Amino acid sequence: AQSVTQLGSHVSVSEGALVLLRCNYSSSVPPYLFWYVQYPNQGLQLLLKYTSAATLVKGINGFEAEFKKSETSFHLTKPSAHMSDAAEYFCAVSEGSGYALNFGKGTSLLVTP
Amino acid sequence: DTAVSQTPKYLVTQMGNDKSIKCEQNLGHDTMYWYKQDSKKFLKIMFSYNNKELIINETVPNRFSPKSPDKAHLNLHINSLELGDSAVYFCASRPGGGREKLFFGSGTQLSVL
Repeated sequence: AQSVTQLGSHVSVSEGALVLLRCNYSSSVPPYLFWYVQYPNQGLQLLLKYTSAATLVKGINGFEAEFKKSETSFHLTKPSAHMSDAAEYFCAVSEGSGYALNFGKGTSLLVTP
Repeated sequence: DTAVSQTPKYLVTQMGNDKSIKCEQNLGHDTMYWYKQDSKKFLKIMFSYNNKELIINETVPNRFSPKSPDKAHLNLHINSLELGDSAVYFCASRPGGGREKLFFGSGTQLSVL
């Protein structure tokens, strides 16, 4: 089964600082990888997805992620954090015949003034 | 227009009761899912239907029964509710044809007292 592991359940950054949220995957086949964001009391919104095209994927709200096969990683970054980026972030991999998403345990991002 | 809508948004009930959560998508998607998000924010796939056919049925108590009257609707019925069923339940949909992103509803917060 394909899975993802998110390192760090909580990450705190200062406003304007670099955001780095870590995700490593385990897959025997080329993975389809996703990053979703969940704002408080809301559903999940797609930030970006990797589907074996370009290894550097740009998403919404200034986020991007780089697929590194040698490191089995798909870390999410943003050059400059905004207060509005405070949310829960989930890495996910698509697998199985039903193409359900297997989610990591999530990383809560706190942005301080 | 809301793409994936769930009702109710909040559901408070007593142990032992039976309740249903409804989900509708107006995106024309072929596949729909139910996910459970526990108190630690972990998201776990429960069920998936493709064109009214059950394709994913994870290890879930048989008190949970999904029903898909047509491909735009996927309802979740829960019998004999238990305290541990308290969670946020998310409906999602995906267009057919491959490992595309999932579109999520805003969730149903179920509280069992």
